[in-house]
Amino acid sequence: EIVLTQSPATLSLSPGERATLSCRASQSVSHYLAWFQQKPGQAPRLLIYDASRRATGIPARFSGSGSGTDFTLTISSLEPEDFAVYYCQQRFNWPPALTFGGGTKVEIK
Amino acid sequence: QVQLQESGPGLVKPSQTLTLTCTVSGGSISSGHYYWSWIRQHPGKGLEWIGYIYYSGSSYYSPSLESRVTISVDTSKNQFSLKLSSVTAADTAVYYCARQNSYFDYWGQGALVTVSA
Repeated sequence: EIVLTQSPATLSLSPGERATLSCRASQSVSHYLAWFQQKPGQAPRLLIYDASRRATGIPARFSGSGSGTDFTLTISSLEPEDFAVYYCQQRFNWPPALTFGGGTKVEIK
Repeated sequence: QVQLQESGPGLVKPSQTLTLTCTVSGGSISSGHYYWSWIRQHPGKGLEWIGYIYYSGSSYYSPSLESRVTISVDTSKNQFSLKLSSVTAADTAVYYCARQNSYFDYWGQGALVTVSA
């Protein structure tokens, strides 16, 4: 099973600051990685797929990069609504299998 | 606009079978372009993929749960269902259904299922 490790576990930032979230895979997943945002009481929302493609309706301040084992989600300037938990997910060996990372919480400093 | 909605009991007794149904609207399960998944989230924890089913009935389950999981599809009702047997308190979680076309692009709102006597 491919394990995804997200860091840091918590990121404390102020609105307007830049957020950089990391996701590292235990083996190469090529570019088959997605990022999701989850707010309290809500289902996750797809932000980025195939490592760097923004999903429909996602603001340009969200960007993804990386390939192989190291990936980054960048939020260029945090808006109040961006404070949430972010998960990465790989589908390199899907179907059938896929896995999620443990999440990074972006909180208001 | 595709919508998914989970339904089922919010409380299940230990050792019994948890059953949830996901009703899809705004699109057909039989369209053949998507896989239909169940994902769960333990309280305050991360996401755990449970398994998926294709409209044809072919399915795949997470190795950690496959001995207890069955996912089925009813194309006539545009629904798919999850059965998880022999539940314990460790199965208490929010259960989400989701559509997958390479990635999970549409999700239900989630259903909290508590396992308790």
